[in-house]
This record gives sequence, structure tokens and C-alpha cells, in this order.
Amino acid sequence: GAVVSQHPSRVICKSGTSVKIECRSLDFQATTMFWYRQFPKQSLMLMATSNEGSKATYEQGVEKDKFLINHASLTLSTLTVTSAHPEDSSFYICSARSSNQPQHFGDGTRLSIL
Amino acid sequence: AQTVTQSQPEMSVQEAETVTLSCTYDTSENNYYLFWYKQPPSRQMILVIRQEAYKQQNATENRFSVNFQKAAKSFSLKISDSQLGDTAMYFCAFTYNNNDMRFGAGTRLTVKP
Repeated sequence: GAVVSQHPSRVICKSGTSVKIECRSLDFQATTMFWYRQFPKQSLMLMATSNEGSKATYEQGVEKDKFLINHASLTLSTLTVTSAHPEDSSFYICSARSSNQPQHFGDGTRLSIL
Repeated sequence: AQTVTQSQPEMSVQEAETVTLSCTYDTSENNYYLFWYKQPPSRQMILVIRQEAYKQQNATENRFSVNFQKAAKSFSLKISDSQLGDTAMYFCAFTYNNNDMRFGAGTRLTVKP
């Protein structure tokens, strides 16, 4: 069964709204979670690294005020896309790991902004 | 910086035949991990095979095997007895020191009946 649960799997919303995506580790405590974005026909690109209890580290070119990441517990990280616009439409995937667990990926969230 | 290169955007193979997907990478690290992931249309990331750099023996998982050439920084995936269900995007990936994964651009594999 899945060890990382990502929710929701699909979101369609209007431009200007904020969208929250959850990533949960089910069988282990994830000290680190990663958020990736995948545009159509492209590879996965890291957006940010999230360590429990500390601020996320963002990759160059990723706006931290637009993509808010919270990793308040060892089993949950959230990504909030604030004031979403059509260009934010993409596939967002999280992964989680711990010191004795390799990275496990969630099933992804397909975000469509109208 | 770590980079992963997949030079074959698309590949096709006849059902039951063998196909090899190429991957090269660049790193100054000595201890690292390499992966092949399969991404079907559902877009789930499915781990196919994993290789620890310190192991000389090539990893195998049933019909899937790798040719790991550490000196050449090459990590190819061989799929034997290809099945229709193998049709998917395949990504080569690299990680070290429990950092994030770096992915290649992907190879779209089509298995033809």
C-alpha cells in the first residue's frame, strides 16, 4: 500500500484563489519532504525542501511567498499555492523520507486554474 | 552540481523484445544512489530499480536490469521480454546524502504489439 498519501488528486479552481495540497507519510515519520512540479511532457523539477519544524528551502526561481510550505509535524507537509493563476496549472508531487527510509512519492495533484 | 542526462526522448520496442534506455550523470560525489522510475499515464512515480554506487554488482529486478558503469557515469536500463504494460515515461534519477532527487528529462517508451 501507499506509504505517502497526497490529497487532493485533482483540483480545478478559478484564478485568484488559493489551493492547499497535503502530503502525509503513513507508515513512518518523515523528517524531510520534497515538493516537485511537473509541466506537461517535462521532467520533475524540485520546488522546495521541507524539514520538520523549520522553514522550507526553495529552489532558485520558486517564489516562496506564492508557494507556502508548512511542515508542522513529522507526518504532514502542506503546499499552498496562493492567488493561483493559469500559469500555475501543473502536476505537483511530494515525496517523503526519513533517516532510515528512502524517498517515497505521493500520487501527485493535478492543478488546473481557470 | 549534479546533472542527469537522458538522450533518448522516445523509444519503441516490439512486444517480447529487449530494449535499453540510456542515462548518464555528472557528480563529484562518491557515494550516491541511482534510480529508474516508471511514470504511466496516471502519473504515479513507480520505482523500477535502484543502484547503490558503492556496489559493483548491477541491480536486477525480474525483467529489469541495469548496466552501471561508475567510471563512465553511465546507468542504462534494460527491459527484457517487453510487455504492453511497460509503455510509459521512464526517468533516470540521482540522489546523495539523503538530498532531493535529480531527474533526467525522461524517455517515452512505447511497446508495440
